[in-house]
Amino acid sequence: GAVVSQHPSWVICKSGTSVKIECRSLDFQATTMFWYRQFPKQSLMLMATSNEGSKATYEQGVEKDKFLINHASLTLSTLTVTSAHPEDSSFYICSARPLDRNTEAFFGQGTRLTVV
Amino acid sequence: DAKTTQPNSMESNEEEPVHLPCNHSTISGTDYIHWYRQLPSQGPEYVIHGLTSNVNNRMASLAIAEDRKSSTLILHRATLRDAAVYYCILRGPPGIMNRDDKIIFGKGTRLHILP
Repeated sequence: GAVVSQHPSWVICKSGTSVKIECRSLDFQATTMFWYRQFPKQSLMLMATSNEGSKATYEQGVEKDKFLINHASLTLSTLTVTSAHPEDSSFYICSARPLDRNTEAFFGQGTRLTVV
Repeated sequence: DAKTTQPNSMESNEEEPVHLPCNHSTISGTDYIHWYRQLPSQGPEYVIHGLTSNVNNRMASLAIAEDRKSSTLILHRATLRDAAVYYCILRGPPGIMNRDDKIIFGKGTRLHILP
């Protein structure tokens, strides 16, 4: 099956610093990738849709200047959490869908961000 | 997105079948029923999907009601590794490259497997 890889798997950063999370589709191309955030014992919340070659589309209530998304190629999207604060600590998950089909979506293994 | 309703949690004994229900009374004629599951501390993974007919794959079976207003994911012989949150999701038809085809997750059903 198709593979989506996230890096890093976990990161601890100081409050006020920025953290970049990478999402790669390893064996397929994806014009669209999705970023989710998940707090403990809660469901995944869609943050934004990352479109290759154009600006990301953010869900209502998600600050685009705080969560910077770049989708520079058909296999890579990055999410940068700028000026991170403890309340940004969460499990961040990306998802990608192959260009040539619209069936199942593939998810990364997630990145656990802890801001101290 | 059409909404789905699932029980918050379920329990099952190991090596017994598990039937996970999902109600989707507002499903449209072109919506596919997808199931994903999320194991602890991992991203979700695809389980199965279907439109009208029952579907089987190596992971599970999907039984879809005749009126399509409900479906049931069947794990034929649950193992401890099947303990996860199971999400029932409605999605548009395959083959249509819709950039807005995002997956919105509900609360899902947390499945506990008892040894």
